[in-house]
Amino acid sequence: KAGVTQTPRYLIKTRGQQVTLSCSPISGHRSVSWYQQTPGQGLQFLFEYFSETQRNKGNFPGRFSGRQFSNSRSEMNVSTLELGDSALYLCASSYAGAVTNEKLFFGSGTQLSVL
Amino acid sequence: DQQVKQNSPSLSVQEGRISILNCDYTNSMFDYFLWYKKYPAEGPTFLISISSIKDKNEDGRFTVFLNKSAKHLSLHIVPSQPGDSAVYFCAASAGGSNYKLTFGKGTLLTVNP
Repeated sequence: KAGVTQTPRYLIKTRGQQVTLSCSPISGHRSVSWYQQTPGQGLQFLFEYFSETQRNKGNFPGRFSGRQFSNSRSEMNVSTLELGDSALYLCASSYAGAVTNEKLFFGSGTQLSVL
Repeated sequence: DQQVKQNSPSLSVQEGRISILNCDYTNSMFDYFLWYKKYPAEGPTFLISISSIKDKNEDGRFTVFLNKSAKHLSLHIVPSQPGDSAVYFCAASAGGSNYKLTFGKGTLLTVNP
């Protein structure tokens, strides 16, 4: 089975711009979660989608949004980029996402740099 | 408010010796704990987990210990190998919501040949 695929791997944007990141989960997985990794904060939960519905959201401003398509692929959007948004954005998938002992499978991430 | 804390940013051990990585948590609702390993330029990969109904789980060279009263868990790697050099993240979840993990900041383990 192919793993979790995130595109692009690297992205450079300037302040004020917006960006869209893409995630293709493992085939058959219906839950997609997004995490932000920064050196100072570790990994922080952004949101999770299951069957095209957002089930949970972390403590991030409304500039961070996402969606999931019927084929379980997910996109994450950040509008009005700020310097502090520079981070590695990780996507993780699982079959149901709400079953005890279910593992998350992570992609390699998109490294976003905001100049 | 850091609910999962890994107080050691880095750890260096000799090949063949034991590596002990520590993690503390504050949220008493956490009932499932996981360790993930991350190499540079790759996403985290699942290593081992433990439910709050257990106090130990073993998988080959990796053992996780959970002390609920102290809200502390540790990962033991015996024997350590150079390929174990990576960042290790402790994570926790509550009530089966395993898609919403709370991670620590990670510990960089370096295993010297």
